[in-house]
Amino acid sequence: RKEVEQDPGPFNVPEGATVAFNCTYSNSASQSFFWYRQDCRKEPKLLMSVYSSGNEDGRFTAQLNRASQYISLLIRDSKLSDSATYLCVVNYRNRDDKIIFGKGTRLHILP
Amino acid sequence: ETGVTQSPTHLIKTRGQQVTLRCSSQSGHNTVSWYQQALGQGPQFIFQYYREEENGRGNFPPRFSGLQFPNYSSELNVNALELDDSALYLCASSPSTGGMKETQYFGPGTRLLVL
Repeated sequence: RKEVEQDPGPFNVPEGATVAFNCTYSNSASQSFFWYRQDCRKEPKLLMSVYSSGNEDGRFTAQLNRASQYISLLIRDSKLSDSATYLCVVNYRNRDDKIIFGKGTRLHILP
Repeated sequence: ETGVTQSPTHLIKTRGQQVTLRCSSQSGHNTVSWYQQALGQGPQFIFQYYREEENGRGNFPPRFSGLQFPNYSSELNVNALELDDSALYLCASSPSTGGMKETQYFGPGTRLLVL
């Protein structure tokens, strides 16, 4: 099983719709979780950290389920500018700190 | 803009050559991480430097090495280049805690093509 898995998509979603994607992780020692956004041929940028209690930032909601070892990202009222690749990031510590990126989920918002 | 800069932006090398990539971290950040991102893949962690010491390493061979300088800028060196080393190399800086829990701020990357 891969350390961090995401559905690669693409998710083709009409503007204004709600879209959600999950990311599963294999290491129960995982400590920190993030969602990053990456536009085509650009560097990743932090979208939001993911807290145990769940957190919301405007139209974006992130949730963590430690028991089932997944995190989720929900985007409400999607905009054309939300089109990007969304990268799930997990940090865990065994002997060393490790930070693992998923391969990303591609999202296309359709006009 | 994150304030993280990388040079050069693009580079073409041939198999067997050596390459050095450079990164200047955001002001106030003393931790720098390097990633390799192949086309269609997520970034893969190479290593992290905190206060000039290596602070964690991913599954990359020893021909990938690095340095961090007293001003917290960093270099990634790759020896004996292979075709599969062709990728976008990303540098990210984070605040002064030396761990991986902090938000990382990425530079624009260096695109390396190995022929």
